[in-house]
Amino acid sequence: NAGVTQTPKFRVLKTGQSMTLLCAQDMNHEYMYWYRQDPGMGLRLIHYSVGEGTTAKGEVPDGYNVSRLKKQNFLLGLESAAPSQTSVYFCASIALGEAFFGQGTRLTVV
Amino acid sequence: AQSVTQPDIHITVSEGASLELRCNYSYGATPYLFWYVQSPGQGLQLLLKYFSGDTLVQGIKGFEAEFKRSQSSFNLRKPSVHWSDAAEYFCAVGGLSGSARQLTFGSGTQLTVLP
Repeated sequence: NAGVTQTPKFRVLKTGQSMTLLCAQDMNHEYMYWYRQDPGMGLRLIHYSVGEGTTAKGEVPDGYNVSRLKKQNFLLGLESAAPSQTSVYFCASIALGEAFFGQGTRLTVV
Repeated sequence: AQSVTQPDIHITVSEGASLELRCNYSYGATPYLFWYVQSPGQGLQLLLKYFSGDTLVQGIKGFEAEFKRSQSSFNLRKPSVHWSDAAEYFCAVGGLSGSARQLTFGSGTQLTVLP
């Protein structure tokens, strides 16, 4: 069982470039989430989805967009990357309140 | 709004010593509470969870946590720490309904284990 898979694992972007992070889960979970992790700040929720075709803003949504066209996939997009978006991004799917995490994507914006 | 406070940013203990990591939460109803561990460069692994029932919960790797509603706390304990326990630990609170369909994490406690 793969669980939650994130791609890519590492990426370096130039300021202003765009990219999409992919999260895929094979557990048939309804709820999926994107977090960013920065030193000393724990995990902060960017966007989340409670089902196919639905998305909602979390704590730090500015500069990001998401889509949930298929139940198993949750995409996080950066339209115009900024250095402040340098972070480690984690995707999670949640069932019965328990979160299952991917291995993370380390993004550097230069 | 739900929130989690981990008051200790960094804790250092000697191998074999006991450990307690503190967690306080704010939540409007009965919370679901979790402790996760993160090793360097890795994702988060669930140590234990509290949904209801017995307020003392056992987890993996010899960890346990006690839910104290009166103190809004969910502290993590281990009787004897091993060098492999060095990692960052996150407490989280969540629920199932409405805006609570999300986990809110504390800022983490970094654990260093001395030989």
